[in-house]
Amino acid sequence: DAKTTQPPSMDCAEGRAANLPCNHSTISGNEYVYWYRQIHSQGPQYIIHGLKNNETNEMASLIITEDRKSSTLILPHATLRDTAVYYCIAAYSTLTFGKGTMLLVSP
Amino acid sequence: DAGITQSPRHKVTETGTPVTLRCHQTENHRYMYWYRQDPGHGLRLIHYSYGVKDTDKGEVSDGYSVSRSKTEDFLLTLESATSSQTSVYFCAISDNGLYGYTFGSGTRLTVV
Repeated sequence: DAKTTQPPSMDCAEGRAANLPCNHSTISGNEYVYWYRQIHSQGPQYIIHGLKNNETNEMASLIITEDRKSSTLILPHATLRDTAVYYCIAAYSTLTFGKGTMLLVSP
Repeated sequence: DAGITQSPRHKVTETGTPVTLRCHQTENHRYMYWYRQDPGHGLRLIHYSYGVKDTDKGEVSDGYSVSRSKTEDFLLTLESATSSQTSVYFCAISDNGLYGYTFGSGTRLTVV
C-alpha cells in the first residue's frame, strides 16, 4: 500500500464545508483512494473511494488530482455528528489504516 | 453494525490463557478481516480470509491464529494471551475485497 499523509487535526464550523486533504505521492496505477471515518470508539465506516475520477455519493465528494498524488474529501455541510477521525488509504485490496485526521466540527 | 456481529464485546483474561474471538456475518460476503486498534497505531491487519478455509497473514499476525470453517464465521484465537495483546479488535467484511468494508462494533480485550 502507498503511504498517505494527512494533517493530524482540523476544525470546521457546523454548516460549512469540511475539506480534508491527503497526500499519496507514491500511489501506483492500480491502487484506489479510500476514505473511512471512525466516530469515537465505533468501528470505521466506509465513506467513498475512487481511482482516477472525482466521485460523489450521499455522504461526501472525493476530488483526486490529475496526477493522483493527492486527494481531498469534501463534506459539503458538516454537522456535529461528522466529528470523527478520517482515514485516507491508498491500496489495491487489503486496507492499511494510518493515524488519520481528527475532524472537530463545532457549533 | 447490521449484518456483522462480534462476540464477546468485552473480555478480561489472564496472561497465558487461550482466547477466541468470534466474528459472525449474515451478508454472505466472501472476505473477512481481523484488525486490532491501539493508541498511536491506528488499525493494523492481523489476518484475513478470502473464502472458507482460505486465510492469510496480515501485518501483525504473530501470536494469533484464525479459522473459517463456514462462510459466516471467522474466529480469531490468541494461543497464549500476553499483555501486549490488550487491544480493541475489529472484524470487517467485504463482498469484493476491494472497497466498502463493513466493520463490526469491536471487542475490547484486556489481558492481565
